[in-house]
Amino acid sequence: KNQVEQSPQSLIILEGKNCTLQCNYTVSPFSNLRWYKQDTGRGPVSLTIMTFSENTKSNGRYTATLDADTKQSSLHITASQLSDSASYICVVSGGGTYKYIFGTGTRLKVLA
Amino acid sequence: KAGVTQTPRYLIKTRGQQVTLSCSPISGHRSVSWYQQTPGQGLQFLFEYFSETQRNKGNFPGRFSGRQFSNSRSEMNVSTLELGDSALYLCASSLATGTSGGYYEQYFGPGTRLTVT
Repeated sequence: KNQVEQSPQSLIILEGKNCTLQCNYTVSPFSNLRWYKQDTGRGPVSLTIMTFSENTKSNGRYTATLDADTKQSSLHITASQLSDSASYICVVSGGGTYKYIFGTGTRLKVLA
Repeated sequence: KAGVTQTPRYLIKTRGQQVTLSCSPISGHRSVSWYQQTPGQGLQFLFEYFSETQRNKGNFPGRFSGRQFSNSRSEMNVSTLELGDSALYLCASSLATGTSGGYYEQYFGPGTRLTVT
């Protein structure tokens, strides 16, 4: 079954600390993997997109990694800020009905 | 450049009614995708349109349908509404639809919050 699982479900960290979010998938065929940030009440905003051949991609303080062999991805946030408080969603793109399979997200809260 | 706009932003309907939601993509974007987001199921892909043709479809019943116009604006329709259709409906636009191994950046609108009573 084509699935995307994210962990942890929720996370609380102090401002300035680093954190890593995980995404495991079983989607096949695989086209690309995206990480999105979604603030409450708003649409998701793309952070990174990676294809099969890419294993690291950065966007400012956000760094995503992809291991296509183990079908795992992680999103590392460096020096967290209060504005990082949001849901982070992992999306794997396959094809046809499985064009976009979404994880249920990790809810991150950054405390001052 | 203006972002993706969706109308209306909020909607309340009664079971059995039908509803039409509208999405205007970023100027120059020809692909529009629709998603349903609920607390229980998260985000789920509904369908994707490119050049007025449906290119991909998710696993939703036939009550959910859509179309795209020549100016790339898109509408989605839900007929015979059920309580479970209450959700945030998101639209995203991109320059084109990605082929195998390729991709295009997607830009999401703010969504339409649909409540079915």
